[in-house]
Amino acid sequence: NAGVTQTPKFQVLKTGQSMTLQCAQDMNHNSMYWYRQDPGMGLRLIYYSASEGTTDKGEVPNGYNVSRLNKREFSLRLESAAPSQTSVYFCASSPDRDHFFSGNTIYFGEGSWLTVV
Amino acid sequence: QKEVEQNSGPLSVPEGAIASLNCTYSDRGSQSFFWYRQYSGKSPELIMFIYSNGDKEDGRFTAQLNKASQYVSLLIRDSQPSDSATYLCAVVDMDSNYQLIWGAGTKLIIKP
Repeated sequence: NAGVTQTPKFQVLKTGQSMTLQCAQDMNHNSMYWYRQDPGMGLRLIYYSASEGTTDKGEVPNGYNVSRLNKREFSLRLESAAPSQTSVYFCASSPDRDHFFSGNTIYFGEGSWLTVV
Repeated sequence: QKEVEQNSGPLSVPEGAIASLNCTYSDRGSQSFFWYRQYSGKSPELIMFIYSNGDKEDGRFTAQLNKASQYVSLLIRDSQPSDSATYLCAVVDMDSNYQLIWGAGTKLIIKP
């Protein structure tokens, strides 16, 4: 059982280049998320998708776009990378938006380390 | 803006002792709280969920919630070197489609 799989694991980009981070989950979860994690800061939500066909902005959406391709896949695109987007990116999934009150958690992918030079 | 605060540490604890990690949150209406563990270079993994006031125990881990004082804590008994990690506190934000608000984490070091 792979859980949440994200690619690539490491990427170096030049300022202005574009790239897409891919994410897929095999747990039949409805909700998917993209977070970024920077030193000294908590995980910050970039975008999320509560269900197939819907996407919503999180706390830090500027400079990013997302696509919920189907129930399994949720991609994150950087159209014109900037050094401020150097970070670790985590894709995550959860059963649904109301799961937290029953203790169900979100499951994270292994992370993508992105450096923009 | 709603906040979740944690002491960044590092918190250094001798092997076999009790490690105590604290988290405070700003939203008095928060109801659900999570503790995650994150090893260096890895993704966060859930270790505790707590919803009600009081204590919740799971093996060597105890989560304590005090809604009146707006804090949640995590106790790790009989600390092991393998407990060395960063511990993240997360709070459900009911006003933003039940998204999680994350603390920056406390780095815990267990000294053999």
